[in-house]
Amino acid sequence: GAVVSQHPSRVICKSGTSVKIECRSLDFQATTMFWYRQFPKQSLMLMATSNEGSKATYEQGVEKDKFLINHASLTLSTLTVTSAHPEDSSFYICSASILRGGSGDTQYFGPGTRLTVL
Amino acid sequence: KNEVEQSPQNLTAQEGEFITINCSYSVGISALHWLQQHPGGGIVSLFMLSSGKKKHGRLIATINIQEKHSSLHITASHPRDSAVYICAAPVKGAQKLVFGQGTRLTINP
Repeated sequence: GAVVSQHPSRVICKSGTSVKIECRSLDFQATTMFWYRQFPKQSLMLMATSNEGSKATYEQGVEKDKFLINHASLTLSTLTVTSAHPEDSSFYICSASILRGGSGDTQYFGPGTRLTVL
Repeated sequence: KNEVEQSPQNLTAQEGEFITINCSYSVGISALHWLQQHPGGGIVSLFMLSSGKKKHGRLIATINIQEKHSSLHITASHPRDSAVYICAAPVKGAQKLVFGQGTRLTINP
């Protein structure tokens, strides 16, 4: 089956630093990648949708200057949390979609990255 | 009211029991996803279905498009099935998913 990886799986950083999280589709080309964040015991919240070669579409309330998304190729998208603060501590998950059309597109999820900002 | 509602929110059962988790949705959808999230956080896609029924091992997913309802069943449940189960629906005409609140399942040995 399709595999999506994320790196790093866990990161601890100091307040004010920037953190980059990578999302890769390992054995397929993803037309679209999605970035989610999840607070403890809550469901996933979509942050942004990115298509290769174009600007990401951010959900309402998500600061695009704070969460920079780059989708440079069909197999790689990166999320950079700039000037991270403790309130940015969360579990960040990406998913990648293969556009098939028809009855629906399957999203394949990465294992997630746990960010802790001290 | 959420566009995708799950029940129950928490479920504890004994090993071997038959488990049912329900999902109702109000949006028009092209397909519905069932996802599994283990305590470590990683998410696995279990099923994507747009009609009828799908089976994979001890897991069965059904969907009734007219009633806008889907169920996930686990037969002969095992402690390793303990996880959060999430249903999610892509809004028709879009790729992004709307998620249910999740059902936290605990299977005791």
